[in-house]
Formats: sequence, structure tokens, C-alpha cells
Amino acid sequence: QVLLAESGGGEVQPGKSLRLSCAASGFTFSTYSLHWVRQAPGKGLEWVALISHDGTTKYYADSVKGRSTISRDNSKNTVYLQMNSLRVEDTAAYYCARDEREYVGGSHFDHWGQGTLVTVSS
Amino acid sequence: DIQMTQSPSTLSASVGDRVTITCRASQSISFWLAWYQQKPGKAPKLLIYTASTLETGVPSRFSGSASGTDFTLTISSLQPDDFATYYCQQYSSDFPTFGGGTKVEI
Repeated sequence: QVLLAESGGGEVQPGKSLRLSCAASGFTFSTYSLHWVRQAPGKGLEWVALISHDGTTKYYADSVKGRSTISRDNSKNTVYLQMNSLRVEDTAAYYCARDEREYVGGSHFDHWGQGTLVTVSS
Repeated sequence: DIQMTQSPSTLSASVGDRVTITCRASQSISFWLAWYQQKPGKAPKLLIYTASTLETGVPSRFSGSASGTDFTLTISSLQPDDFATYYCQQYSSDFPTFGGGTKVEI
């Protein structure tokens, strides 16, 4: 059974940093790309970042580029999202999601975690 | 970035109704489109991928189709469990994008 479990959310002040984690189980973690997707309260889904199965390829949405870093530790079956210089508009539930296609990636998202809430407020 | 325009944003329907949701891509995405269902406080759930392939375990009343850059999700007979918000997503480019969502309400 594929499981993705996010953690690390919380309330922070604008300008501060936060690191989100997504622990995976139930599949061969090192062969799949992973994504972060966020959803502001009452709003739609916004793709945030992608990391390839081996960590060599990373893409970011313009809204977080330069402020966020996605990384993974295949020995710990965990993907991370380091978010710096947080803004009020970064307030959202953050989901990690698995890319369906092994190795190559670039496919739909077949499994999602339950999300972790980040609130940026002074 | 590829823009996905989804309509309507809200849809009022009754149990047993046939429901259609549309998504239009700003450029060609071939068949690289997925549909997700999301209920309040829950993660999205994959329903359909490659425009018309039903994910395992998804009821057959859900179907998807494509015509050029226009994509459609159809629920043939709406059930109580189907009241939710639906999102389309393109994954043709390295930067996936979602439609704005369609809330299906009673």
C-alpha cells in the first residue's frame, strides 16, 4: 500500500523559514519522481515543485522559485521542501504526490499524502 | 506555462443527473490530461488519466473524452458520494498546471 505522510507545517511569521517533509512507504521510493502541490484556503490546486527519482532534476513554480528548495533522501524514503522568505500568500495546505511513471516521470499523480498546513502570519 | 480553463466553476445538480465538466488547454497537450476529485479536508483523488483512462477502482459512471484542446469529464448518473470539487491537470509540460476547479453541489 502506497503511503505518503507530510509533516513540518505550522504557523510562522513572514520572512521566516520552514522545512516540510514527506515520508513514503509501500513502494520503491528511489524509482519515482515526487511533487509538491499546495492549496490556499478555499482555493484551487497549485503545483509547486518536482524532483526526479535520483534528485538530479528539479523544477519549481515561479511563485516559489528562488525561495524554495526541493530535495530527497532515498536512504530515508523522504522528500523535503525547504521554504525560505515565507510570505502571507504561501499560506496553504501542502501535499506531496507521486508521479505515476517510474524513472522518466512527467506523468499524472497517482498517490497523494494528506497534506500539512502552513500558515504565514504576523 | 500552459493554462487550463475549467468550466463551470460551480454546478448544481441532483442525484441521477448527467453531469459534464469541461477543461480547455491554452495549447496542445495531446492526451496528457488527468481528472481528480477532492472532498473537503481531503487530498485529491485520481479519477482519469490520459484523458479517458479510468483509474483502477473508480466507478464506471465516470468517463473522460478529448477533442483537440477541449477535454470533458462526464458523470453519467450522479451519486451522493460524487458531490465534490473536480480538477483537471495537464502534464504535457515539465510544469504541470491545474484547472480552477468545479464544485458539484446539490
